[in-house]
Amino acid sequence: EAGVAQSPRYKIIEKRQSVAFWCNPISGHATLYWYQQILGQGPKLLIQFQNNGVVDDSQLPKDRFSAERLKGVDSTLKIQPAKLEDSAVYLCASSAGGQETQYFGPGTRLLVL
Amino acid sequence: TQLLEQSPQFLSIQEGENLTVYCNSSSVFSSLQWYRQEPGEGPVLLVTVVTGGEVKKLKRLTFQFGDARKDSSLHITAAQPGDTGLYLCAPDVGNFNKFYFGSGTKLNVKP
Repeated sequence: EAGVAQSPRYKIIEKRQSVAFWCNPISGHATLYWYQQILGQGPKLLIQFQNNGVVDDSQLPKDRFSAERLKGVDSTLKIQPAKLEDSAVYLCASSAGGQETQYFGPGTRLLVL
Repeated sequence: TQLLEQSPQFLSIQEGENLTVYCNSSSVFSSLQWYRQEPGEGPVLLVTVVTGGEVKKLKRLTFQFGDARKDSSLHITAAQPGDTGLYLCAPDVGNFNKFYFGSGTKLNVKP
């Protein structure tokens, strides 16, 4: 069974530029998560989708971050404009829902210069 | 708000040694998960503990959930270089399978 796919794996941009990350969850998984992991810290939940609806986006900086999950499958996370402090690994995870296990993708490592 | 404290932050040991890492909080949790994350990869779930006082074993790893469900520990017996990684604890903080991650313990096992 294929795991969670993310692209790109690495991205370097200058501050004030825009960037987008893509996630393809495990087939059939209803729940999708985006996390931000700053160096030396644990992952912080940015947004959680149940199918194509948002369950929790309380920690998403909505002035610059946006995410969508059209058709309840793939998801994109966008940052516009990027700041230096957005440098981090952005992890996508999916689960079948309920109390099922979260499976993480390899992440996208973003460096903002 | 600092919800969780994981200790130690860093641990470097020789192959064959035993070690324990801790996850502490003042809050009560319905369940708690432990993950291992290797460089360049996402976290991988090791175990979920649910009942106060619960002990779960996974080969050389022993996980314990505190009686009051506020803390947890992970003990590794005879550590191996393959155990190297970032160990994260993540308690359940609400509905819809939402977990909050600690900062982790970075373990390095030297051959």
